[in-house]
Amino acid sequence: GDSVTQMEGPVTLSEEAFLTINCTYTATGYPSLFWYVQYPGEGLQLLLKATKADDKGSNKGFEATYRKETTSFHLEKGSVQVSDSAVYFCAPLSGSARQLTFGSGTQLTVLP
Amino acid sequence: DAGVTQSPTHLIKTRGQQVTLRCSPKSGHDTVSWYQQALGQGPQFIFQYYEEEERQRGNFPDRFSGHQFPNYSSELNVNALLLGDSALYLCASSLGWGSKKTQYFGPGTRLLVL
Repeated sequence: GDSVTQMEGPVTLSEEAFLTINCTYTATGYPSLFWYVQYPGEGLQLLLKATKADDKGSNKGFEATYRKETTSFHLEKGSVQVSDSAVYFCAPLSGSARQLTFGSGTQLTVLP
Repeated sequence: DAGVTQSPTHLIKTRGQQVTLRCSPKSGHDTVSWYQQALGQGPQFIFQYYEEEERQRGNFPDRFSGHQFPNYSSELNVNALLLGDSALYLCASSLGWGSKKTQYFGPGTRLLVL
């Protein structure tokens, strides 16, 4: 089945710092790739997605590029804000499975 | 555009009881998936409904069952509750049964089993 390995947290950054959260995956076939964000006490929100190799998903200053050769989908943001403090989940969605596979997520805390 | 809604938001039950959680999908969506998220963990897939049938199931016991109604809303039922069933239950909706459909999540129902 599908699996995902994410950078272990927690990650603590100062406001305006550069963020990278690493994500590598294994999946059958050619999956779509997603990043979801979970704010404290809430459900998951779709942050961005990519559906084919070399696609770049972007939203709210966050970006991630689908790297098929390295099976990676690292999340980046050039300048984080306190409001970005949350748990981030990378998840592949393969055609055969039709279900998202999550790792344990990466907790990000941004300090003012 | 209404997003995914879930009810109730919080629930407290005791061991052995039964619980029903409800989900209304995003407007226009017809496929509903349920996930369980234990504290500090990522969500785990329970099952997925399309056209009122369970189409796919994760590694969960038969105590977990569901239903989808003609209006695409869905219920998750858990029988004989265990302490380990305490978790955030997330509903996600998507459009169509095709592969790799983007799933949108609701706010979840937090279940505490005492």
